[in-house]
Amino acid sequence: AQTVTQSQPEMSVQEAETVTLSCTYDTSESNYYLFWYKQPPSRQMILVIRQEAYKQQNATENRFSVNFQKAAKSFSLKISDSQLGDTAMYFCAFIIGNTPLVFGKGTRLSVIA
Amino acid sequence: DAEITQSPRHKITETGRQVTLACHQTWNHNNMFWYRQDLGHGLRLIHYSYGVQDTNKGEVSDGYSVSRSNTEDLPLTLESAASSQTSVYFCASSEITGTGFDEQFFGPGTRLTVL
Repeated sequence: AQTVTQSQPEMSVQEAETVTLSCTYDTSESNYYLFWYKQPPSRQMILVIRQEAYKQQNATENRFSVNFQKAAKSFSLKISDSQLGDTAMYFCAFIIGNTPLVFGKGTRLSVIA
Repeated sequence: DAEITQSPRHKITETGRQVTLACHQTWNHNNMFWYRQDLGHGLRLIHYSYGVQDTNKGEVSDGYSVSRSNTEDLPLTLESAASSQTSVYFCASSEITGTGFDEQFFGPGTRLTVL
């Protein structure tokens, strides 16, 4: 079975600092996609960043970047220059082909002024 | 603009009642999904559909059913609501492209309370 593990239930970071959220996954497939979703208090699920497993280059989206280690099955999210609006639940997820997303249990991030 | 909507946004019901949660998308996506979100569990898949007349069970399908009569809608029915089904429910849709994947778009969620 495909699984996603987020080992940090809660984290906090000072405004303007950098924080890294961890994610590991388990699959025997070689081609898949990885994602980080953000869920602010509004409950809306927002795609933050995605990574294709066949690409070696780590994805970046403005202040958000990932460290993708395929052999280690690790996919961490780095948030630089943290802002108060980054306070949210963050979910790591992956998908194989045309199958439903598999989610981790989430990390609650608090950005402190 | 294309969107995905859910109704109602909040629902309180009693144990044993039948409840239907609506999901409507205007993306014209073939794939639609229902998830439930509970504290400590993340999002778990209930049912999903890859097209009209197609439905599949997910990880936590017991007590739930879906039917897909058109592209736009995938209603989720709780046949006999139980307190364990108190949760936040999310609908999502996606489409397969030439790259083998497209982004899943999520609805705003429905908070269901079963008393």
